[in-house]
Amino acid sequence: AQSVTQPDIHITVSEGASLELRCNYSYGATPYLFWYVQSPGQGLQLLLKYFSGDTLVQGIKGFEAEFKRSQSSFNLRKPSVHWSDAAEYFCAVDRTGTASKLTFGTGTRLQVTL
Amino acid sequence: EAGVAQSPRYKIIEKRQSVAFWCNPISGHATLYWYQQILGQGPKLLIQFQNNGVVDDSQLPKDRFSAERLKGVDSTLKIQPAKLEDSAVYLCASSLALGLNYGYTFGSGTRLTVV
Repeated sequence: AQSVTQPDIHITVSEGASLELRCNYSYGATPYLFWYVQSPGQGLQLLLKYFSGDTLVQGIKGFEAEFKRSQSSFNLRKPSVHWSDAAEYFCAVDRTGTASKLTFGTGTRLQVTL
Repeated sequence: EAGVAQSPRYKIIEKRQSVAFWCNPISGHATLYWYQQILGQGPKLLIQFQNNGVVDDSQLPKDRFSAERLKGVDSTLKIQPAKLEDSAVYLCASSLALGLNYGYTFGSGTRLTVV
């Protein structure tokens, strides 16, 4: 069965510091991987996705993620965090290859201190 | 373009009562999803529609949950009767079609509290 693990429930970083959010997946075939962000009271917004090709994926808002098959990981990074990045971040894997049935991790809540 | 509209934003009901949520997807989006997000967890797919047909409802608790998308546009999710464990945010999402290049757009959700 496919699953996604986000080992960090809560992370606090200072504004301007770098950020890395961890995501590990368990999936038998070629994974299709996503990162979403959810601000309080809002729906989820897609940050970036990986289907194939270059393992370093660029997304919106200055985020990037690197797919590492050998480590079954898809970690999200940002070189310099802004206070507005405080939100909950979800990693997800597609179960079907059509991006139609996402399995989400439990999320990582990011707090940014000024 | 307008986003995915959901109503109500909040709902508080007593257990064993009934409740309904409404979703209006982005115009022209054929695929519609309902997700349940329990506090502290990631969203879990309940049901997926393609136009007015159900594609996947394997995780929908059919003894109490029902959903319809009669004209292939807006959709209603109903819970009858509600249990305490149904307290969650119910998210609706839509996409133009199935396929890796078609992203989801999520609505802001309906927060249900069952007391």
